[in-house]
Amino acid sequence: GDSVTQMEGPVTLSEEAFLTINCTYTATGYPSLFWYVQYPGEGLQLLLKATKADDKGSNKGFEATYRKETTSFHLEKGSVQVSDSAVYFCALSTTSGNTPLVFGKGTRLSVIA
Amino acid sequence: GAVVSQHPSRVICKSGTSVKIECRSLDFQATTMFWYRQFPKQSLMLMATSNEGSKATYEQGVEKDKFLINHASLTLSTLTVTSAHPEDSSFYICSAPKQGANGYTFGSGTRLTVV
Repeated sequence: GDSVTQMEGPVTLSEEAFLTINCTYTATGYPSLFWYVQYPGEGLQLLLKATKADDKGSNKGFEATYRKETTSFHLEKGSVQVSDSAVYFCALSTTSGNTPLVFGKGTRLSVIA
Repeated sequence: GAVVSQHPSRVICKSGTSVKIECRSLDFQATTMFWYRQFPKQSLMLMATSNEGSKATYEQGVEKDKFLINHASLTLSTLTVTSAHPEDSSFYICSAPKQGANGYTFGSGTRLTVV
């Protein structure tokens, strides 16, 4: 079945450090790929998405490129802030519409000043 | 747009009682609602899929008699945890697919604590 594997945390970085959170997937067909962020005590918010190979999703300084050849969608940010401390989930959807997202296990990021 | 309102955000209940969680789509019609459970420091696990006007589809290992799902209208889906026990304590989140830029919209979650 479809699955998402992302690097395990927690990840602790100093402010302004470079962030990479790896994500790889297994899916039939051509999935859409997502990164969601969950701040403490809150629900999930969409951070960025990509719907086809070589697409780059970006938002709030975060980027991820859909790499079909390596089945990856790694999340990057050039300079993290304390406010980026959260749990990040990589997810996929194999069809648009009425199928649920498949989530990775999540990576907790802590940014210290 | 595409907002799902989930209530309550937090609830503490005694063992043996039932708790109802509501998810309302405020500005669109949600024919489908996904219900997830998240244990501390773990990922979201799909519990069930509800469809308006029909029976919910439960994932393997989820007790349908314990987690009652009702989707009686296009704007409301409910999850009732019956005869709750401490091991049911978790974070429950609903999600509806929405055509458009985001694709999916999530409720803000309900933290259930059973004492």
